[in-house]
Amino acid sequence: DAGVTQSPTHLIKTRGQQVTLRCSPKSGHDTVSWYQQALGQGPQFIFQYYEEEERQRGNFPDRFSGHQFPNYSSELNVNALLLGDSALYLCASSLRGVRGRETQYFGPGTRLLVL
Amino acid sequence: AQSVTQLDSHVSVSEGTPVLLRCNYSSSYSPSLFWYVQHPNKGLQLLLKYTSAATLVKGINGFEAEFKKSETSFHLTKPSAHMSDAAEYFCVVSDTPGGGNKLTFGTGTQLKVEL
Repeated sequence: DAGVTQSPTHLIKTRGQQVTLRCSPKSGHDTVSWYQQALGQGPQFIFQYYEEEERQRGNFPDRFSGHQFPNYSSELNVNALLLGDSALYLCASSLRGVRGRETQYFGPGTRLLVL
Repeated sequence: AQSVTQLDSHVSVSEGTPVLLRCNYSSSYSPSLFWYVQHPNKGLQLLLKYTSAATLVKGINGFEAEFKKSETSFHLTKPSAHMSDAAEYFCVVSDTPGGGNKLTFGTGTQLKVEL
């Protein structure tokens, strides 16, 4: 049973560029959430996608946007990159609305470095 | 609003001795609480979860946690530490019963296990 996968594993960009990160959920899951983990800190919730719509959003600017595809996979896009966007970006998947199955399972993350 | 406070940023124990990682929570709802572990350069792994069933929750690798509403605490314990337990541990709260929505992470506790 494949777990949550993310690509790429590492990425280096320069300020002002745009980046797209990808996530494939665990088999059977329909909901994808994205988190940003800065060095030495706990993950911070960015947003969650279900049925191809953004359902919840954390305190992040609209430079951060996302998409969910019919196969439940998801993309995170960040425009106009800032140095402060350097972080580990984590994707988590879950099964919505099924009591006891909503637990979020995390992928290995994409480490983004902005120079 | 919900939040968690991890009372120790670093904990050091000797192999074979007990582990105690402390967490206090604040939530307007009946919370769901989790402990996740993160090994170096790895994603987050679920250790255990509390979702309003038994207050003493058993997880993987011999870890357990007790939900104490009167003390708003959810401390993580293990009777005997192993070298492989060295990692970062996060206490997490969710505003939905199963943790399907936004997760709010603590700042983490780095566990060091010495010979």
